[in-house]
Amino acid sequence: DSGVTQTPKHLITATGQRVTLRCSPRSGDLSVYWYQQSLDQGLQFLIQYYNGEERAKGNILERFSAQQFPDLHSELNLSSLELGDSALYFCASSASGNEQFFGPGTRLTVL
Amino acid sequence: DAKTTQPNSMESNEEEPVHLPCNHSTISGTDYIHWYRQLPSQGPEYVIHGLTSNVNNRMASLAIAEDRKSSTLILHRATLRDAAVYYCAPNAGNMLTFGGGTRLMVKP
Repeated sequence: DSGVTQTPKHLITATGQRVTLRCSPRSGDLSVYWYQQSLDQGLQFLIQYYNGEERAKGNILERFSAQQFPDLHSELNLSSLELGDSALYFCASSASGNEQFFGPGTRLTVL
Repeated sequence: DAKTTQPNSMESNEEEPVHLPCNHSTISGTDYIHWYRQLPSQGPEYVIHGLTSNVNNRMASLAIAEDRKSSTLILHRATLRDAAVYYCAPNAGNMLTFGGGTRLMVKP
């Protein structure tokens, strides 16, 4: 158990819909990262927040957005969903910027 | 972004050492080299990281080439629980760039 929690575990929705994925980092970790893992693209960095501020941005689509709240939990919002957005979405947290602790992931299926 | 190249799969016998190679020839001078592994149905798990010198921890050792264009993760005695996909991931400004990973199979 990494100490990072993600909800929900599974999510099934339809194209065009909007969903919100939630992540609670390890106690005391200020940084939260979001990753997408799909069969064709592999594991890709999406975005990082540090203490509520966006710190780094990777291959995140404009239809996707994220935020980190004062209690340090984070949400990833995915809108206008397409079939190709079906993937595992991981959240990770870290204290030092070195070792990242990954949550169990949310499996998103877009039908 | 630094690109990585790893063999798709490797096989090892239980209790024997395993050397997992990674090429990262486009890595910049300040990027740390990280290794993570992913067990089936789990999120990635940190293994080890380093910059220039070889590193050891309780899980593994990391040997980094002098020119930093490649590195090798060493599991000293593979166990069945080490069967996983191993990723090397250069860390540029807190962004981990994962490659395709190596699927390690451990035979009893």
